[in-house]
Amino acid sequence: SFELTQPPSESVSPGQTAYIACSGDNLGTKFVSWYQQKPGQSPVLVIFQDDKRPPEIPMRFSGSNSGNRATLTISGTQDVDEADYYCQAWDSTDFYVFGSGTHLTVL
Amino acid sequence: QLIESGGGLHQPGGSLRLSCAVSGFSVKTAFMSWVRQAPGKGLEWVSLMYPTGGTDYSDSVKGRSSISRDNSKNTLYLEINRLTAADTAVYFCARDTYFGSGTAFVHWGQGTLVSVS
Repeated sequence: SFELTQPPSESVSPGQTAYIACSGDNLGTKFVSWYQQKPGQSPVLVIFQDDKRPPEIPMRFSGSNSGNRATLTISGTQDVDEADYYCQAWDSTDFYVFGSGTHLTVL
Repeated sequence: QLIESGGGLHQPGGSLRLSCAVSGFSVKTAFMSWVRQAPGKGLEWVSLMYPTGGTDYSDSVKGRSSISRDNSKNTLYLEINRLTAADTAVYFCARDTYFGSGTAFVHWGQGTLVSVS
């Protein structure tokens, strides 16, 4: 089965750049989406098609995908960016596959 | 807008039916899914309904679950039978706007909590 692996947690200082990784076999051949979820809230799409931002998402969010690894980058991280982040891709056998999630702490 | 309902406390071995009332677009032309999240855990895709009426299920519910829609009510449904504690989760309905050019859930409901105990 197709699986996506994320580190359980990352931390970043305010104003610095956060990198959240997502790995999977030949992930670079698939489109990756990223979701932000804050406690008690529904997920919010922040990146789709590897590197595209929905219009309401701040420019500090960006994405890349190559080889076996996709990365969500948050530049100039703010306190409000503290949340759980999930990568997601489509597999022809397993359909929608989510990563295990990464909790980003801004401290 | 997507509004789920039907959650609550259910008995092991029982059945549930969740609803997702949609406004702003037509369910019959959308790629609609149910995604669940167990307490303190990550997101897990459960089921997909295609505009064609075709369906797909995750292995965790295949054979005991049915996704359907009522076009006249613009509502999506999910039935799960033979419930176990592992089905305890917040269930979200979500719309994939980009299916075919990657996949991405742009619209999400607020979720409905299902407890099996």
